[in-house]
Amino acid sequence: KNEVEQSPQNLTAQEGEFITINCSYSVGISALHWLQQHPGGGIVSLFMLSSGKKKHGRLIATINIQEKHSSLHITASHPRDSAVYICAVKGGSEKLVFGKGTKLTVNP
Amino acid sequence: GAVVSQHPSWVICKSGTSVKIECRSLDFQATTMFWYRQFPKQSLMLMATSNEGSKATYEQGVEKDKFLINHASLTLSTLTVTSAHPEDSSFYICSASARALGTSEVGQFFGPGTRLTVL
Repeated sequence: KNEVEQSPQNLTAQEGEFITINCSYSVGISALHWLQQHPGGGIVSLFMLSSGKKKHGRLIATINIQEKHSSLHITASHPRDSAVYICAVKGGSEKLVFGKGTKLTVNP
Repeated sequence: GAVVSQHPSWVICKSGTSVKIECRSLDFQATTMFWYRQFPKQSLMLMATSNEGSKATYEQGVEKDKFLINHASLTLSTLTVTSAHPEDSSFYICSASARALGTSEVGQFFGPGTRLTVL
């Protein structure tokens, strides 16, 4: 079993829909990252969380430390949000452990 | 802030040649940089952790003599793929640790990646 599990693996939505991507982890962590990778390959760091909730534009990330679970929400989704979204956790060292990613496709 | 650049963004080379990839932190000093490799449709795999002024720490299964890492300054780390072969074709990504602005949290900021194709 992977230390970091994401769901769903693939997600297709219509423009404007509210989207949720989930991440569960099995180890103690000091921080959790949400990353976005576009088809060209470049990775953008969206959020780094250690507790609570963060919001940036249409993106919201939450984390529940007790339940070892985080969610990434996208409001009013747009085709340009189409990308792979990756959850990564940091434990005691600086190394990140990555989920396998969620491929999001938003259709116009 | 916290911008990481990589150069080149893509490279095609012949089998047997060596390729150097640079990773720079543009507006901050990074004591630790990480090198990842990503094969198509797979997750990022950590190759090595690079600390300024010291030898890199390689992950199990990564040949240190084949993937030479030099972290000569607080803003530059290089990865050299020596005697590259077609199986080394991959997407190579670096990241750098930095303290997030206005917080005490240390995050990782990723470069745009370098796509290596070995013919």
